[in-house]
Amino acid sequence: EVQLVQSGAEVKKPGESLKISCKGSGYSFTTYWIGWVRQMPGKGLEWMGIIYPGDSDTRYSPSFQGQVSISADRSISTAYLQWSSLKASDTAMYYCARHRESKVTLDAFDIWGQGTMVTVSS
Amino acid sequence: ETVMTQSPATLSVSPGERATLSCRASQSVGSNLAWYQQKPGQAPRLLISGASTRATGIPARFSGSGSGTEFTLTISSLQSEDFAVYYCQQYNNWPLGTFGQGTKVEIK
Repeated sequence: EVQLVQSGAEVKKPGESLKISCKGSGYSFTTYWIGWVRQMPGKGLEWMGIIYPGDSDTRYSPSFQGQVSISADRSISTAYLQWSSLKASDTAMYYCARHRESKVTLDAFDIWGQGTMVTVSS
Repeated sequence: ETVMTQSPATLSVSPGERATLSCRASQSVGSNLAWYQQKPGQAPRLLISGASTRATGIPARFSGSGSGTEFTLTISSLQSEDFAVYYCQQYNNWPLGTFGQGTKVEIK
């Protein structure tokens, strides 16, 4: 079964760092783009950025460039989303999602992780 | 940046009726348009890609149409499990894949 399994919920204080993960299984992890999507409480979906684990080519939305860092470890089929200094406004559900087709850039997300809730509060 | 605008924000429909959701792009996205369904507490689910191709396992009552800047998702006969929020997403403007703000389909 093709799936993405994300790390568990996090509660952090403003200024703290955080790295959440997304582990792929059941497919060739290195040949599909994986994106990250933010959903703030009660709000819609926001495309944050995307990585190609095969060569770590990474692209960001201008809205998130410099605010987060996306990476991947091919050896353990895991993608990451990282913050160096969290803000209260980072409180949201974060989803990872995989492109539908191998190696294709212009594509929809067909496999989604279950989401990781990040709460930032003092 | 391509802005995606969905209408209406909320659609009240009775079970068995037809629902028509709209999505407009601020510039042409060709057929690089997807529709997703999201139920409370769940991750989004891909319904349609390429503007009109149903994803694996998606019932035939869901259909997508359009190209360029105007797109439509039609649910031919609403079932109880179809009440949810629906998002469109353009993926033509690589690498930025912007979403619409969503349409909530609720029971009338």
